[in-house]
Amino acid sequence: NAGVTQTPKFRILKIGQSMTLQCTQDMNHNYMYWYRQDPGMGLKLIYYSVGAGITDKGEVPNGYNVSRSTTEDFPLRLELAAPSQTSVYFCASITGGRRDTQYFGPGTRLTVL
Amino acid sequence: AQKVTQAQTEISVVEKEDVTLDCVYETRDTTYYLFWYKQPPSGELVFLIRRNSFDEQNEISGRYSWNFQKSTSSFNFTITASQVVDSAVYFCALRDQGGSEKLVFGKGMKLTVNP
Repeated sequence: NAGVTQTPKFRILKIGQSMTLQCTQDMNHNYMYWYRQDPGMGLKLIYYSVGAGITDKGEVPNGYNVSRSTTEDFPLRLELAAPSQTSVYFCASITGGRRDTQYFGPGTRLTVL
Repeated sequence: AQKVTQAQTEISVVEKEDVTLDCVYETRDTTYYLFWYKQPPSGELVFLIRRNSFDEQNEISGRYSWNFQKSTSSFNFTITASQVVDSAVYFCALRDQGGSEKLVFGKGMKLTVNP
């Protein structure tokens, strides 16, 4: 199992550009999450999904969109990049059982200039 | 609302010292799960431990130990005989039991272990 994979690892965007952060897991997990980590802060939830076709907002969803057409993939879309979206983005997944542990992808470091 | 507080933001110690990282949480759930993650300088998040609320037995794993006290809503993490490789940011987190299973994180504590 590759676990949770994220692409790209690094990206620099100009203000107003758009991009998609990719997240894939090969563990057949139902639940998937996108978090962002700002310097000196913990992780904050952007969006999550409890299964294919089902998504919901987290704590900081503004400026982002997600979709979940398959169990494996959970892409995060930035439509009009802003400097406030400069952050490290982590994807995570679990099966959904209460005894489960969230395992995280390696992260994507995004800079918006 | 659920909340996790890591009051210490940064600690610096000399190798072989013991260090304790504090974590205080707030939740209305009667059953809940707590976690510690390590984020080394390379940036990935490494799972260290999961603890459920109905098991207050302390846990030890090598040089790591965890002290869970429900009465004070604390889940503290101690590293014994610290090593340079322990230098990282450590996060305490609480799982939401409302259906999303999301994690609520503390702000993290940066530990620097000097040789």
